[in-house]
This record gives sequence, structure tokens and C-alpha cells, in this order.
Amino acid sequence: DAGITQSPRHKVTETGTPVTLRCHQTENHRYMYWYRQDPGHGLRLIHYSYGVKDTDKGEVSDGYSVSRSKTEDFLLTLESATSSQTSVYFCAISSGGAADTQYFGPGTRLTVL
Amino acid sequence: DQQVKQNSPSLSVQEGRISILNCDYTNSMFDYFLWYKKYPAEGPTFLISISSIKDKNEDGRFTVFLNKSAKHLSLHIVPSQPGDSAVYFCAPLGTDKLIFGTGTRLQVFP
Repeated sequence: DAGITQSPRHKVTETGTPVTLRCHQTENHRYMYWYRQDPGHGLRLIHYSYGVKDTDKGEVSDGYSVSRSKTEDFLLTLESATSSQTSVYFCAISSGGAADTQYFGPGTRLTVL
Repeated sequence: DQQVKQNSPSLSVQEGRISILNCDYTNSMFDYFLWYKKYPAEGPTFLISISSIKDKNEDGRFTVFLNKSAKHLSLHIVPSQPGDSAVYFCAPLGTDKLIFGTGTRLQVFP
């Protein structure tokens, strides 16, 4: 299994509070991704990173920001959580971009009340 | 406006039989397609892929077929096993990103 962890694994928070999810990898892969999974939508890309300090938006980036200050960590921040951001969040890594096999973390279940 | 559709949310198949999971897409520019499998409470894992220069790719019990003119691909699992019970996502490669379908939940019963 690829060395990829997500923390926390579960979180319940209230509307309007900031939330940060962490993705940590030990594979030294260049690319990292954040997805959310919702019923009826499959997995949707939020943001991705193609190197330290290099990030770009995905298809559902509104309300989210990311940071990557070192290769192994990719942080996803919800500045002011809303109920529509209740979801399961997956981090993924790949060595050569989206066409390469992406290895996914175990997911973080976030509930915004 | 979904570019990738998996119209069967669920599929139930008897062990030993063939499972056929379908995926339709709208963007004719897609030229590389992947399938991921997901067990409950785990992240998706890569299963098999196919390039548009091929119409078939096989890996053990798993075969993916691509019909570019119909914008359709299918995943065949033969023979199906109880351990194949999972959600399967097709994911064409768009510009720098995968575009996941909504998934099909496969249940293989004894």
C-alpha cells in the first residue's frame, strides 16, 4: 500500500468554523489531489498540487483553499464551513500526473452541522 | 451536466457468472480511461485502464472494452467472486484531471 494518511479520519463541526484536513505521504510523489465524494456525484476534484507551492483548482474549488509547503503534506482548508461541505474527502497522490495511477488515502468524513 | 455516466447504480451477480459494468461519456476528446474500485470505508484503488488506440485491455479476470464511436466503455469481470463486491468508478482522463463517473455498486452473491 502507498504510504498515504489523512487526518482527522472523522470530524464534526459547526457552520462557520474553519476546518483543516491534512494529507501526508511518504512516497515522495510530486502530485497530490483532494477530492470529495457525494452520493450521485462520484468523486469530484477540489484542488490539486503539482509540486511544492504549486497548486491549481479543480471543478469544485469554491469555499476551499489548499497549501503545500513541503512535498509530503497537502492541506485542505475550509475557511468557513457550510452544511453543503458535509462530505467524505479523499486525498490522492501520483508520481506523474493524472494519467498515472493515483493512490488514495482512507478518507475523512466531515459533518458540518 | 455530467460528462461521465454510469447509468446502473447497482448490479447483483451470482458468483462465477460474468459482471458487466457500463460507462458512457460525452466528450469525444477523452483518449485514456481508467477504472477504480472502492470498498466501504477505504479509498478507491486503481483496477485497469485503456487507451483509445485500443478497443480492449485484459488483466486476469478483468477486461475493459472501449467503443469510441459510441462513447461507451464496459468492464467485464469473469468469473465474478464475492471479493469483487465493491463500487466501481470509470474515470476518463480530461485535461490534467480524472473525471469520475457516479459509480456502480456490484454485489456478488454465492
